[in-house]
Amino acid sequence: QQPVQSPQAVILREGEDAVINCSSSKALYSVHWYRQKHGEAPVFLMILLKGGEQKGHDKISASFNEKKQQSSLYLTASQLSYSGTYFCGTDVNTGTASKLTFGTGTRLQVTL
Amino acid sequence: DAGVIQSPRHEVTEMGQEVTLRCKPISGHDYLFWYRQTMMRGLELLIYFNNNVPIDDSGMPEDRFSAKMPNASFSTLKIQPSEPRDSAVYFCASSHRGGRNTGELFFGEGSRLTVL
Repeated sequence: QQPVQSPQAVILREGEDAVINCSSSKALYSVHWYRQKHGEAPVFLMILLKGGEQKGHDKISASFNEKKQQSSLYLTASQLSYSGTYFCGTDVNTGTASKLTFGTGTRLQVTL
Repeated sequence: DAGVIQSPRHEVTEMGQEVTLRCKPISGHDYLFWYRQTMMRGLELLIYFNNNVPIDDSGMPEDRFSAKMPNASFSTLKIQPSEPRDSAVYFCASSHRGGRNTGELFFGEGSRLTVL
């Protein structure tokens, strides 16, 4: 089942912060975050494993609350290069093997 | 490393024709995934392989779709016969799994399919 992302879209001025949320109805092994620029392939940002750890990638960080089956992506002091669509991917145990299912994405636009 | 290589990058075909999309994963990766991306449905997982064996094909829309991985360096996704609603960008991705978790996915540049 597809994870739910919110918001669907957000517009920021350069330097502002944003939070993107991802929630699942199923128990998760891990959560992935990817960014896709228009006309390009998704690119990996980070993976969060069970344990509630927080990871960082430059000024982008994320948290994973396995009990709530939720993850949040934090973009700090946004730059123009952050523009794109952000996808969370949830790694769910299907009984035989886990598989990565993506949310519908959050479109982020950073303006001057 | 050259990354995941997909071909063709663009395909325009007429309804009823057979379409074959190709993918070469990154050497050493033991998982290969086929995703389809549309505006309406986002990124949908169609099928994935582990060590060339199909593990989960529950996302394949219908019998018109089939996928094979004859060896570790090549996979195909075939649509026969194609329909206009199959128009989408098809991505191939590969990864090396670490334990129970899906490892980082490396995506190819995608094959944009248009069925007229």
